[in-house]
Amino acid sequence: EIVLTQSPDTLSLSAGERATLSCRASQNVPSSYVAWYQQKPGQAPRLLIYGAFRRATGVPDRFSGSGSGTDFTLTISRLQPEDFAVYYCQQYGSAPLLTFGGGTKVEI
Amino acid sequence: QLQLQESGPGLVMPSETLSLTCTVSGGSITNGAYYWGWIRQHPAKGLEWIGSISSSGIAYYRPSLQSRVTISVDTSKNQFSLQLTSVTAADTAMYFCARPVTTGTTGPFDHWGQGVLVTVTS
Repeated sequence: EIVLTQSPDTLSLSAGERATLSCRASQNVPSSYVAWYQQKPGQAPRLLIYGAFRRATGVPDRFSGSGSGTDFTLTISRLQPEDFAVYYCQQYGSAPLLTFGGGTKVEI
Repeated sequence: QLQLQESGPGLVMPSETLSLTCTVSGGSITNGAYYWGWIRQHPAKGLEWIGSISSSGIAYYRPSLQSRVTISVDTSKNQFSLQLTSVTAADTAMYFCARPVTTGTTGPFDHWGQGVLVTVTS
């Protein structure tokens, strides 16, 4: 099983700042099949990025993904008030088995 | 617009079976080779994939849950279901159903239900 470790646990930033979130895999993720989700309290997760860098439908371009192998990054270029949430990475390179990271909370 | 809706008991007794159904609307569950999935989230914790099933009935499960999980599909009702046997307090979680963004693979998920909280308690 590919284990995903996200860091930091919490990121304290202000609106307008840049956020950089890390996701490290315990082994190579085939085809860079990594996705990123945003989750707000009381809501289901929302897909932001898949295939390491492809934005899902309707996702603003301030969200970008990068990385390959075992190290992946989600960058939010200029934080908006609605971006304060918990972010999860997920790998599907070992599909059908899927695993998620433990999450990073982006707080004000 | 595709929508998913979970339904089922919010309370389950320890050692009994948790049963949930996901009803798909706004599209046919047989449209495309999608794998329809179940994911859970323990209180204040991260996400855990439980398993997925195709409309033809091919199912995959998380290895640590495989002995207790069954996912089935009912194409006539546009539904798929989750059964988890011998539940304990550790199975208390929010349960989500979801559909991947692409066909032919179990993830990632771009369509989610709102989730249903299941509490295991006597």
